[in-house]
Amino acid sequence: EDQVTQSPEALRLQEGESSSLNCSYTVSGLRGLFWYRQDPGKGPEFLFTLYSAGEEKEKERLKATLTKKESFLHITAPKPEDSATYLCAVQGSSNTGKLIFGQGTTLQVKP
Amino acid sequence: EAGVAQSPRYKIIEKRQSVAFWCNPISGHATLYWYQQILGQGPKLLIQFQNNGVVDDSQLPKDRFSAERLKGVDSTLKIQPAKLEDSAVYLCASSSGLPYGYTFGSGTRLTVV
Repeated sequence: EDQVTQSPEALRLQEGESSSLNCSYTVSGLRGLFWYRQDPGKGPEFLFTLYSAGEEKEKERLKATLTKKESFLHITAPKPEDSATYLCAVQGSSNTGKLIFGQGTTLQVKP
Repeated sequence: EAGVAQSPRYKIIEKRQSVAFWCNPISGHATLYWYQQILGQGPKLLIQFQNNGVVDDSQLPKDRFSAERLKGVDSTLKIQPAKLEDSAVYLCASSSGLPYGYTFGSGTRLTVV
């Protein structure tokens, strides 16, 4: 059964204090690993898709990396506007294309 | 490009009542999903449509939940009768396939009292 576990559940950072969020996954034939950002009262917003181990993608202060068992979302010099819940999801080759989500990491960046 | 539209944004009902949610996906997106997100958890798939056919409804509580996608475009999700544990945000998403992932709507927050 495809499974995604994110850690930590919550993270508090000072503005400018870099850190990483972890996403561990078990999936039959990874087709894609997705990172989303979710603000309170809104739907998840697409950030990245990673397809194979060793792949990296960047967007502003965010960088996502992928290994065969986990993905990291690195946040460099975060700002208060980066505060949100970050969701990781996987799509496996054995299912119909649905995404299996982790429970999310809630990030709070204090000024 | 217009996003995924959902309505209503909020709904409060009593247990055993019925409720319906509406979703209009991005034009041209063949695949439409309904997800349930309970507070503090990640979204969980309820049902997936490809055009107007059901692809996956394995986690849909079929004794009380139903969904349809009219003419392969708009979709409605219904709960009848509602239970307290149905309190959640119901998210609709559409997709044109990898690598773009899904585009989600803002969701409908349902509170069952």
